[in-house]
Amino acid sequence: AQRVTQPEKLLSVFKGAPVELKCNYSYSGSPELFWYVQYSRQRLQLLLRHISRESIKGFTADLNKGETSFHLKKPFAQEEDSAMYYCALSLNSGGSNYKLTFGKGTLLTVNP
Amino acid sequence: EAEVAQSPRYKITEKSQAVAFWCDPISGHATLYWYRQILGQGPELLVQFQDESVVDDSQLPKDRFSAERLKGVDSTLKIQPAELGDSAMYLCASSLFGLAGKDTQYFGPGTRLTVL
Repeated sequence: AQRVTQPEKLLSVFKGAPVELKCNYSYSGSPELFWYVQYSRQRLQLLLRHISRESIKGFTADLNKGETSFHLKKPFAQEEDSAMYYCALSLNSGGSNYKLTFGKGTLLTVNP
Repeated sequence: EAEVAQSPRYKITEKSQAVAFWCDPISGHATLYWYRQILGQGPELLVQFQDESVVDDSQLPKDRFSAERLKGVDSTLKIQPAELGDSAMYLCASSLFGLAGKDTQYFGPGTRLTVL
């Protein structure tokens, strides 16, 4: 079965420290993966997608098919990065339609 | 900037009552999703519409849940009768086409349901 695992429910780092949020997936096909973020009192929003290979707000994520991982990294964490982060896997839901399967999320706290 | 609208934001109801949630997607978005998010979990897809048609409702408890998007624009999710285990955040999202990797899902603020 297709599954997304985020092993850490909580992650706490100090400002300026590197941060890595882990995501592992289980999928037999060619995966398309995303990171969504929810800041306090805001909506869930897309942070980045692996297909774009982009860096957003200093975050990057590399798809490692051998380890079936899509970890989110930032070299120097900022207090404003404190939020809930969800890893998501895109699955075909019929025809040309796709849906997202989310992990349980990791709450990142960046301390001053 | 256009946003997905949902109402109500909060709903408290008693077990066995009927509840309904409304969602207005971003104008022009063909795909609409309803998710349920239980505390401590990630969002779980309940139903996906492409225009007015249901594309995926495999996780929708059809004995008590129903969803419609009659004109392919706004949508209503109904629960009848509500059970204690239905207490959760109900999120609506929309995307332009529903295509993997190329499409962004935009989420609404959610409706927090509490069943007493």
